[in-house]
Amino acid sequence: GAVVSQHPSWVICKSGTSVKIECRSLDFQATTMFWYRQFPKQSLMLMATSNEGSKATYEQGVEKDKFLINHASLTLSTLTVTSAHPEDSSFYICSAIRDRGQYFGPGTRLTVT
Amino acid sequence: KQEVTQIPAALSVPEGENLVLNCSFTDSAIYNLQWFRQDPGKGLTSLLLIQSSQREQTSGRLNASLDKSSGRSTLYIAASQPGDSATYLCAIYTNAGKSTFGDGTTLTVKP
Repeated sequence: GAVVSQHPSWVICKSGTSVKIECRSLDFQATTMFWYRQFPKQSLMLMATSNEGSKATYEQGVEKDKFLINHASLTLSTLTVTSAHPEDSSFYICSAIRDRGQYFGPGTRLTVT
Repeated sequence: KQEVTQIPAALSVPEGENLVLNCSFTDSAIYNLQWFRQDPGKGLTSLLLIQSSQREQTSGRLNASLDKSSGRSTLYIAASQPGDSATYLCAIYTNAGKSTFGDGTTLTVKP
């Protein structure tokens, strides 16, 4: 089946630094990818829709300048958390659409100290 | 705005029991509905995908149904096993191209 990978699987960074998370579709091309955030014991919340070759569409309340999304190719979307703060600590998951279904990456756990 | 509710929030059953997880949604204009499993600290594993034109899907011990008119879906797990312990999420994917997730049902199957 379709496979979506994420890198890194976990990262610890200091407050004020930036962190980049990669999302790759390994065996299919994805013109659209989605980025979600999940806080402990909560469900997934859509942050933004990443469109290949164009600007991402952000959900209400998500800061565009803080969560930079780049979908430079049909198999890669990146999420950069800029000037990270402890409140940005969360589980970030990406997904891609194929054959009318969503395929999710394994997630990246970000801890900001 | 689509709202997705999952009941119950948590469920504990002895091994071998059959069980039903419920998912309800407010807007019936959906593209598909998908059930996922999430283990603690892990990503999502897709279990079953039901297109808007379908009424149910089966995979092994799992059966998912969809009733758009009533805004409901159920996930039936037969002969539950301890390895089925996880959080089960349903997600509604709309024609607008967005998914809305329920809060999940945390299942514990006791040996």
